[in-house]
Amino acid sequence: GAVVSQHPSRVICKSGTSVKIECRSLDFQATTMFWYRQFPKQSLMLMATSNEGSKATYEQGVEKDKFLINHASLTLSTLTVTSAHPEDSSFYICSARLAGGDIQYFGAGTRLSVL
Amino acid sequence: AQKVTQAQTEISVVEKEDVTLDCVYETRDTTYYLFWYKQPPSGELVFLIRRNSFDEQNEISGRYSWNFQKSTSSFNFTITASQVVDSAVYFCALSEAQGNDYKLSFGAGTTVTVRA
Repeated sequence: GAVVSQHPSRVICKSGTSVKIECRSLDFQATTMFWYRQFPKQSLMLMATSNEGSKATYEQGVEKDKFLINHASLTLSTLTVTSAHPEDSSFYICSARLAGGDIQYFGAGTRLSVL
Repeated sequence: AQKVTQAQTEISVVEKEDVTLDCVYETRDTTYYLFWYKQPPSGELVFLIRRNSFDEQNEISGRYSWNFQKSTSSFNFTITASQVVDSAVYFCALSEAQGNDYKLSFGAGTTVTVRA
């Protein structure tokens, strides 16, 4: 149980385009989902916390207009990187927390490369 | 301030050796949770263990064991008889207080390389 699916696993796009990443909890309801960014050989940096039916809470320094987060249902959250630029190239990972629980289960990550 | 410190950046061992990963945390909360995650080269974070602040009992799961000591604010992780498949980055993480959406503060990670 507690499987989180993240799609796509890899995306290459041109500068200026927008990219949408999906995060789904497959076998449980997730009231809260989290989005992280990870640079090579570094730790995970929390970008935002997404609660179903409400606006996401962004961490300091994260541009909310750049990284649009939608948590439309208890099993799906999406991250859209708008007008992507090469500096947005990174590994993005989502996680989901089981309702009433405290463990975060992670997706497999999305490697974004912006040319 | 760094809430979770993993002082070891990289550890390299030969197969069958034991390896211990250190984790020191900092919090003012009395209720908190500690975690270990494994990140293999594929990138996915795999949940290994969760410990709450009121449970100092050490735990063993197969070749994995964890030593939680509140007195030293440490939550160390030992892999016994390491195998090549244990090669990964291991992250220690801290979650403070319920009103915080159970956000995780991650340590910098320790890269473990197990050589055949």
